[in-house]
Amino acid sequence: GENVEQHPSTLSVQEGDSAVIKCTYSDSASNYFPWYKQELGKRPQLIIDIRSNVGEKKDQRIAVTLNKTAKHFSLHITETQPEDSAVYFCAASISILTGGGNKLTFGTGTQLKVEL
Amino acid sequence: DVKVTQSSRYLVKRTGEKVFLECVQDMDHENMFWYRQDPGLGLRLIYFSYDVKMKEKGDIPEGYSVSREKKERFSLILESASTNQTSMYLCASSLDGARGGDIQYFGAGTRLSVL
Repeated sequence: GENVEQHPSTLSVQEGDSAVIKCTYSDSASNYFPWYKQELGKRPQLIIDIRSNVGEKKDQRIAVTLNKTAKHFSLHITETQPEDSAVYFCAASISILTGGGNKLTFGTGTQLKVEL
Repeated sequence: DVKVTQSSRYLVKRTGEKVFLECVQDMDHENMFWYRQDPGLGLRLIYFSYDVKMKEKGDIPEGYSVSREKKERFSLILESASTNQTSMYLCASSLDGARGGDIQYFGAGTRLSVL
């Protein structure tokens, strides 16, 4: 089955700096790669996702890049703010558009701390 | 707004008890999932369901079973709770793939302690 590795496990940055979290996956058939953010005591929520037909996607201060050849994808957060402090999870799946549901395999998470 | 509701935020049970964790979603989603979340291990899939009365094993199904009698409700059952099942349990739901279903929406979680 799919295996997703995520690094680093903890990341501390100064406010205003950039943060990068990296993930690798093992199944070349995976074609959907979401990122979830989980604030302390709250539920995970999707912040951005990318499909395998796209190399990069941006949403304001957040961007995700995908390298299918190397089977890795990364989350980039620019101009970090204290409210970006949270645990971030990457995931991979095979998106089945003809029916059924996609089973996500998650990475182990990155605790991001943005210091003032 | 999608709403996934888990019946309990905190549960304390004794070893050997039968435990039911309930999850309800109100968005007519076909797919429902149960994960457990442990520090350093991320979210690991226990069971999932694509339709009523359908279930499939995830990555760590041992010691668990599930029930989906109605579309909106997905139950996780610990037949005989053990201390190594102390964890945070998260339920999620998503649309069927044919309806564009990739995004999973999570409940707030149930923190289970087995003593």
